[in-house]
Amino acid sequence: DSGVTQTPKHLITATGQRVTLRCSPRSGDLSVYWYQQSLDQGLQFLIQYYNGEERAKGNILERFSAQQFPDLHSELNLSSLELGDSALYFCASSVGSRQSNYGYTFGSGTRLTVV
Amino acid sequence: QKEVEQDPGPLSVPEGAIVSLNCTYSNSAFQYFMWYRQYSRKGPELLMYTYSSGNKEDGRFTAQVDKSSKYISLFIRDSQPSDSATYLCASRDFNKFYFGSGTKLNVKP
Repeated sequence: DSGVTQTPKHLITATGQRVTLRCSPRSGDLSVYWYQQSLDQGLQFLIQYYNGEERAKGNILERFSAQQFPDLHSELNLSSLELGDSALYFCASSVGSRQSNYGYTFGSGTRLTVV
Repeated sequence: QKEVEQDPGPLSVPEGAIVSLNCTYSNSAFQYFMWYRQYSRKGPELLMYTYSSGNKEDGRFTAQVDKSSKYISLFIRDSQPSDSATYLCASRDFNKFYFGSGTKLNVKP
């Protein structure tokens, strides 16, 4: 167990719908990162939050948004879902605001299937 | 061109073989290089990391970076069936990590 908890593990939903993915970082970690992993694009950085504030943005679509709450858990909201949004969504956490030189700890992911 | 390129495989080897996994990267400013291992239905876990050029060894694993050719390698000696996983190389600039798409390795008993 990496200490990063993601729920749900699996999600099946229809096109046009909205879903929320949840992440609890490792104890003591203040930064949360969201990644999308698909077969053709690999692991793509979406967004980073540090202690409740957005810190860095990657290839995140406008239909997607995230937030980090005072208890440091984070939610990734995906709306107007399309078939192409089907992917594994990973959350990772680290202690500091700057990305660790050597990476961070990933959760087990949420597998989203849009039908 | 993607920042980090990796052959997706799959790569199938017999138990005990030496495995060579490779990546190329495009940004000469990259200084930190990582290898992650991802088992099926799990998140990536950091396996090894190196700074700048050179080799780093950890047990059966050796990570190698050649900055002159922008080439990253991971060698696995005496490969075991438990090494069967997807291996992702990664590098970073100031603010972001860039991952390869992963090479799927299958070590046959």
